Amino acid sequence: GENVEQHPSTLSVQEGDSAVIKCTYSDSASNYFPWYKQELGKRPQLIIDIRSNVGEKKDQRIAVTLNKTAKHFSLHITETQPEDSAVYFCAASGTGNQFYFGTGTSLTVIP
Amino acid sequence: EAQVTQNPRYLITVTGKKLTVTCSQNMNHEYMSWYRQDPGLGLRQIYYSMNVEVTDKGDVPEGYKVSRKEKRNFPLILESPSPNQTSLYFCASRAWGGFGTEAFFGQGTRLTVV
Repeated sequence: GENVEQHPSTLSVQEGDSAVIKCTYSDSASNYFPWYKQELGKRPQLIIDIRSNVGEKKDQRIAVTLNKTAKHFSLHITETQPEDSAVYFCAASGTGNQFYFGTGTSLTVIP
Repeated sequence: EAQVTQNPRYLITVTGKKLTVTCSQNMNHEYMSWYRQDPGLGLRQIYYSMNVEVTDKGDVPEGYKVSRKEKRNFPLILESPSPNQTSLYFCASRAWGGFGTEAFFGQGTRLTVV
């Protein structure tokens, strides 16, 4: 099955700086790559996703890039704010529609 | 309001005492799944269901059972819980889509087995 690796496991940035989280996947048939944000004590919620027919997608301060050849995708958060502090999960999905999640990145934005 | 509802939110039980965690969604989603979340391990899929009466094992199914008798409900059953099943559990539902669709998660159930 699919194997998704996520790095780093923890990340601290100063408020206003950028944060980048990277994921790799193993199954070339995967075609959907969502990112979920989980605030402390809350459920994971989708923040952005990208499909394999697109190389980059942006939504305000958040962007995701996909490199199908290298089988990796990244989450970029610009102008970070304290409310961006959370655990972020990447996932990959393909034939069979199952989600395979990364192990998560705990992001702390220091005011 | 579109939502996935899990119950209970918190549960402390003893080893070997059967329990059920309920999950219900009101979005008419075909696909439902259960995950457990453990520190450093992320979200690992326990079981999933692509439609009524269709269930399949995920990555960590040992010690768990599920059923899908109705489209909206997908209960998780632990017939003989053990301490290694102490975890945070999430139910999720998605519409069936060929190119990927958003997963909606329940509020989570924190289970402690002593």
